[in-house]
Amino acid sequence: QVRLQESGPGLVKPPETLPLTCIVSGDSIRSSSYSWAWIRQPPGKGLEWIGSVSYSGTTYYNPSLKSRVTISIDTSKRQFSLRISSVTAADTAVYYCAREWIQLWHRLDYWGQGSLVTVSS
Amino acid sequence: QSVLTQPPSASGTPGQRVSISCSGSTSNIGSNAVTWYQQLPGTAPKLLMYDNNQRPSGVPDRFSGSKSGTSASLAISGLQSDDEVDYYCATWDDSLDGWVFGGGTKLTVL
Repeated sequence: QVRLQESGPGLVKPPETLPLTCIVSGDSIRSSSYSWAWIRQPPGKGLEWIGSVSYSGTTYYNPSLKSRVTISIDTSKRQFSLRISSVTAADTAVYYCAREWIQLWHRLDYWGQGSLVTVSS
Repeated sequence: QSVLTQPPSASGTPGQRVSISCSGSTSNIGSNAVTWYQQLPGTAPKLLMYDNNQRPSGVPDRFSGSKSGTSASLAISGLQSDDEVDYYCATWDDSLDGWVFGGGTKLTVL
């Protein structure tokens, strides 16, 4: 069974950088059938895709966040990471990592439990 | 403002059939398969439907999906109290080169 687990600081001060890591177990992070995605959800609001990274390191970012976001992958550690720079209160959200099936049609089929990050001084 | 448009709320009585709509454009729903996610309070979204109308293992056949043109729909038959959670549609957008989501629909079982 695939498991994803987010980890990171629960509190980040503006305008610092928000770092999160997602550890993948139960499946190969190196498979070409998948990419690995980050999605966030502000309190009481809907879901927003942040970006995705392939096993080879190719990245896709939400245009609205692209200037502040970096997603990377370390297959040797079975993990991928998210960094958002110059954070503000608007970046306060639950951050989810997910496996993205990319054969023919895409789907986000396995999700981590989520990590709440609060941006506050 | 979400790229995909869902009604913010929907409701039905136990045993009834309800549908939740999801409207997009040619660059997203019109070109790619739609997925649906179910989110219980305080938990991560769970994949409910993929490739427009395919149920993952373990999802009851009370749930069904469809797509026509630039719109999609999730139908729930035999409504149960446990179905009273949030539902999101999502798909890949070829113009944005990324995922787009609907704003979510809160289903109430009266």
